Amino acid sequence: DQQVKQNSPSLSVQEGRISILNCDYTNSMFDYFLWYKKYPAEGPTFLISISSIKDKNEDGRFTVFLNKSAKHLSLHIVPSQPGDSAVYFCAASPRRKGGGADGLTFGKGTHLIIQP
Amino acid sequence: DTGVSQDPRHKITKRGQNVTFRCDPISEHNRLYWYRQTLGQGPEFLTYFQNEAQLEKSRLLSDRFSAERPKGSFSTLEIQRTEQGDSAMYLCASSRRTGGAGVTEAFFGQGTRLTVV
Repeated sequence: DQQVKQNSPSLSVQEGRISILNCDYTNSMFDYFLWYKKYPAEGPTFLISISSIKDKNEDGRFTVFLNKSAKHLSLHIVPSQPGDSAVYFCAASPRRKGGGADGLTFGKGTHLIIQP
Repeated sequence: DTGVSQDPRHKITKRGQNVTFRCDPISEHNRLYWYRQTLGQGPEFLTYFQNEAQLEKSRLLSDRFSAERPKGSFSTLEIQRTEQGDSAMYLCASSRRTGGAGVTEAFFGQGTRLTVV
């Protein structure tokens, strides 16, 4: 059973427009969420994270929104640039007492393609 | 380079052989994780260490797999009697455990791609 779901295997967006990537989770114990970006033949690169005590976190062109009641989060990229073309993974972790993330549960990823 | 380093980057082995991969984490990171990624899937958690202690193992980690982190520095992942189903990208990541409610993201290495023929 997939505890983190990314239902769109791919997404095509025009350069300069907003890219919205979605992620749903089922495990109520998750309270720390991350987005990773992955280019071919490379390891995932951390992009942005959000703790369950917040509903929004922004870093430059990237904003993550968390809706705990719906168990849904989304990543907004605006404006989208050609270099944003990559596979984006949503990941989640329960936060244990004492801090620190445990092993992450990843979604299957969404391949974002930015069209010039 | 102060990132997570993995060696080798690629490994081709015959079925039934043993293989060992190495991971050097970011130096101040006390947590080290191993993940496996197959085509079309996200990374799947295998195990993690806090310093030299192995704190959690996934059910994906069969008895043919063993991981060590002597002295809490680098880690090795060994697969014995490899099978074709072991073909995957093996990713290592590290993070820093902080006191209180602080959490830090995990930083990944470039991975070791294993092909079992």
